[in-house]
Amino acid sequence: QKEVEQNSGPLSVPEGAIASLNCTYSDRVSQSFFWYRQYSGKSPELIMSIYSNGDKEDGRFTAQLNKASQYVSLLIRDSQPSDSATYLCAVKEYSGGGADGLTFGKGTHLIIQP
Amino acid sequence: SAVISQKPSRDICQRGTSLTIQCQVDSQVTMMFWYRQQPGQSLTLIATANQGSEATYESGFVIDKFPISRPNLTFSTLTVSNMSPEDSSIYLCSVGGAPANTQYFGPGTRLTVL
Repeated sequence: QKEVEQNSGPLSVPEGAIASLNCTYSDRVSQSFFWYRQYSGKSPELIMSIYSNGDKEDGRFTAQLNKASQYVSLLIRDSQPSDSATYLCAVKEYSGGGADGLTFGKGTHLIIQP
Repeated sequence: SAVISQKPSRDICQRGTSLTIQCQVDSQVTMMFWYRQQPGQSLTLIATANQGSEATYESGFVIDKFPISRPNLTFSTLTVSNMSPEDSSIYLCSVGGAPANTQYFGPGTRLTVL
């Protein structure tokens, strides 16, 4: 049974600080990793994807992947109140055909305090 | 990314009835996915729908309860049959896109069963 674990929070961060969100996964053959942001009452929207070990930066967001430790994280720099949302970590096992769905963690509720 | 719409956006239904949810995409896609998000929970994959073949269901989900149609490359339906209050959830369809293995979600259907 594939599992994706996240701290549910809430994680409270002052405005302008760095928010650090963490995720661990159980399936060693997982190959693709995603962070989604979900505002209350809305559907998930893709923030970042990462496929290889190391860091990937996109604007204020940095995703970090360590496959040996089965760990993926998301850093949000210069946090803004609009970043307040639930952040979902998702993983996909490599199947070649791309036919599998994603396995999601339960999400971390992030609150940016003005 | 593709533009995805779902109908209805929300509904309140009586126990024992069935509801069919529609998902429309503005471009042709091979795979469409159906997820459920129960209150306060993360997303759980129900099934994968490939045009021209039977849907593939995840453990815990069966065709009799959640029949799926996929008549063409831009459309799919999910029916929630013989509903009970435990079926109260948000139901989301998604499609694949770039980068590899990424999924993009429709706006969701919020179902309440009384």
